[in-house]
Formats: sequence, C-alpha cells, structure tokens
Amino acid sequence: EPEVTQTPSHQVTQMGQEVILRCVPISNHLYFYWYRQILGQKVEFLVSFYNNEISEKSEIFDDQFSVERPDGSNFTLKIRSTKLEDSAMYFCASSDFGTATTYEQYFGPGTRLTVT
Amino acid sequence: GQNIDQPTEMTATEGAIVQINCTYQTSGFNGLFWYQQHAGEAPTFLSYNVLDGLEEKGRFSSFLSRSKGYSYLLLKELQMKDSASYLCALGRDSSYKLIFGSGTRLLVRP
Repeated sequence: EPEVTQTPSHQVTQMGQEVILRCVPISNHLYFYWYRQILGQKVEFLVSFYNNEISEKSEIFDDQFSVERPDGSNFTLKIRSTKLEDSAMYFCASSDFGTATTYEQYFGPGTRLTVT
Repeated sequence: GQNIDQPTEMTATEGAIVQINCTYQTSGFNGLFWYQQHAGEAPTFLSYNVLDGLEEKGRFSSFLSRSKGYSYLLLKELQMKDSASYLCALGRDSSYKLIFGSGTRLLVRP
C-alpha cells in the first residue's frame, strides 16, 4: 500500500540554524500539507500546497518558513532560523481529492524536531 | 473562530461500545473528519461526514448534525488496541486543510 514517507525521523539542531524537513507524498496525489504537533498539544495546520504553489497558510507559517517541491517526488519544509518554540513533531500529509471522491489526508510518520 | 470541543479522556471496557462526542462553533466547513492517533505516531484516517447522518465503516461509525454543531464517533466491540487518542477535525476551504480539536484519549481496559 502506498504511503507518505518523511526524513529524518529525528532532527536535533541549535537555535538559529536552518533545517530542512523532507517528505515524499503518495505519487498520484495532488495536494500536500504540513502540520505540526508540539508535545502534548493538538495537531496544527501550517500550509497547503497545490499545483506548485502555496494554496493556504496559517498564522504560524511566517517568513521563517518556506515550502518547495524541488522535483516530481519530494516536498520540503524549510525553517530558516529555528527557535526553541519550533520544537515539535512535523507531519507531512497528502491527498488526492479533486481527482478522487475521497477527501482523506494520508499522514507521514513525522519528523521530531528538537531545537536546543 | 472555530472552537472544537472534545472530552479530554474516556475509559471503556474491552468488547463494549463507546461514543466520543465533538462539538464545534464555526462559520463553515466542507466535512468533519475523525482520526486515530497512537502515542508518538501519526494520525490515521478513520471516517468523515460531508452530509448529516451516519457513516459506517466496520467497527467505526461517525455521525454529523450540522444544525446542532455536533458529531460523534462510535466504536463497537472495543479491543485493547483501540486505546489511543481520537481527533475530531474540520476540513476547511478549497484545500480541505484540517483544523483539529485537542483529541480524546481513550483507555480500553480488560
């Protein structure tokens, strides 16, 4: 069964450093998303991406964040200058809604980002 | 705003039926989704409702009443592996972004 994959599973970085989190969505999906979950808190929407551009972003997704689809398979989230409060689990998700009659999003296993 | 409220914790017995409620206040949404999340893992899709009424998928069913701002997830024949958090989420706007509630932690006891 196809699945969303993410690398790395755990990333430790120092405050102020740049990080890139990588995702490979399911191959025929058209919508891609990033969510984050701070430990013990709810899952929060960051950004959605469709047709090679951002379709929506939340208030959390400020100028420190960017997304890119550098080739036909990868989808990346970059944080330019990490802060302590960026420590969280980051989930990538993809969906084929628009071409299918389903609306479910498939989540990757997540990248745990720890900023020290 | 789009407040989504769920009970924080519930406990049930193996083999029983449990209903997890979700209420929301929002101006509009495309569909209401239920996800399961085991500790340290990603959310996995369970069910969704676009229209009012009941949707059944095996041991899991979900109900939606838009006029009452209310949904529930029904889990039948509970198994120990059903111990997890259950997340209610609203699908919003053209990208169907998910806005999650805080989740209900379910503990299934033998």
